[in-house]
Order: sequence, then C-alpha cells, then structure tokens
Amino acid sequence: DGGITQSPKYLFRKEGQNVTLSCEQNLNHDAMYWYRQDPGQGLRLIYYSQIVNDFQKGDIAEGYSVSREKKESFPLTVTSAQKNPTAFYLCATRPFRGASGNTIYFGEGSWLTVV
Amino acid sequence: QKEVEQNSGPLSVPEGAIASLNCTYSDRVSQSFFWYRQYSGKSPELIMSIYSNGDKEDGRFTAQLNKASQYVSLLIRDSQPSDSATYLCAVNVAGNQFYFGTGTSLTVIP
Repeated sequence: DGGITQSPKYLFRKEGQNVTLSCEQNLNHDAMYWYRQDPGQGLRLIYYSQIVNDFQKGDIAEGYSVSREKKESFPLTVTSAQKNPTAFYLCATRPFRGASGNTIYFGEGSWLTVV
Repeated sequence: QKEVEQNSGPLSVPEGAIASLNCTYSDRVSQSFFWYRQYSGKSPELIMSIYSNGDKEDGRFTAQLNKASQYVSLLIRDSQPSDSATYLCAVNVAGNQFYFGTGTSLTVIP
C-alpha cells in the first residue's frame, strides 16, 4: 500500500513531555514537510527537508525538532518548549521531478492534544 | 498582507448549482497554484493544479488563473452535497515554499 503514513493518528501529551510524530513515505519523493493546522486557520509550515540529512526551519519552528536520516522518514518531535502544541499536524511530500514535481501531497494527519 | 487570501465563507449553494471559490495572492513571482479539498477532521486532498493563465477543466471542476490580477478561482459545476468541505488555495513561490489560504467553507444544500 503506497503513500504517506502518519502515526499515531491521535496522541495525548502531558505538559512537560516531548512527543514524536512519525511520517513515513514510500513514494520516493524527495522533499518532506511538516505543517500545523489550528481550527479555522490555514496551514503553517514548521520544517521542511529537500534531501537526507538536511532540513530547514519554516515559519513556526520554535519548540519543534526534526531529523531526516533516510529518504523515507521525517519524524517531528514536539518538545516541552512548545507552549501551545494542541493542533492537527500534517506531513506532506513533494516529488520535485516529473510533471507533478511542484505538487505536495498530504498524509492523513495526527491530532495532538495536551492534557 | 497575507500571501494568500480567501473569503472564509461560509458559502452555501443549492444542489446542482455552480459554486465559485476565489483566491488572491500577493507574490508576483508565484509559479504554481493549487486547490485542495479538506473534509472536517481530515487532511487536504489535491483537486486541481494550474500553472499558466486561463482555464483548466477536470470533470466538474474548473480552475481559472489570472496572473496579472494575481487571482485564482475554482468553479464547481453541478454541485453535490458530497462537495461540502473547506477548500484551500495554495501557492508555490519559486523554491520550496508553499503558502496556504485559510480556506473557504462550502455547503451544498440538497
């Protein structure tokens, strides 16, 4: 089954805890992205990565960290420094090559709630 | 000024009517334009992409782009209740950045 797999779908975090959201893709896409969506708001970019072992901060990177050790995986860690982490988190990929090289495709998302 | 602006709605149309969704963007070097549909609680799914001025049709959907006016729209013909969702406009500026509007909520009334 191909595509972008995010896990877990639902996650509850206690205050002061770090949590890691997983994003795995088998589309052989080069670029991967993490977005955050709050109710009634648009998508805001947290981090993105074009190639393995390289990533760039987006507009709201504070309190988050990522790694890109292999092409297929781009996990996002929400640290305790992120003061308001409750949101819907979306992982996306972009092929770069071919006719749809400029298009990004989304995983199913992960809901994070602080309790 | 936001990079991408959409009327948040809600927009309501009767079943079978044409729904018209609009989007303006601020960056004149924007190259690629996208419409995504997002059902409540779900992730966005790509409906249309458009790269050059004019119209692009795909089934009941037509995207229209006017780069001089920095305007992109989505028309949905023969609207169905299953089209009820939030529609996100996205713009790709040269490079890796994609900017999203806040979305327009569409309700198709049976």
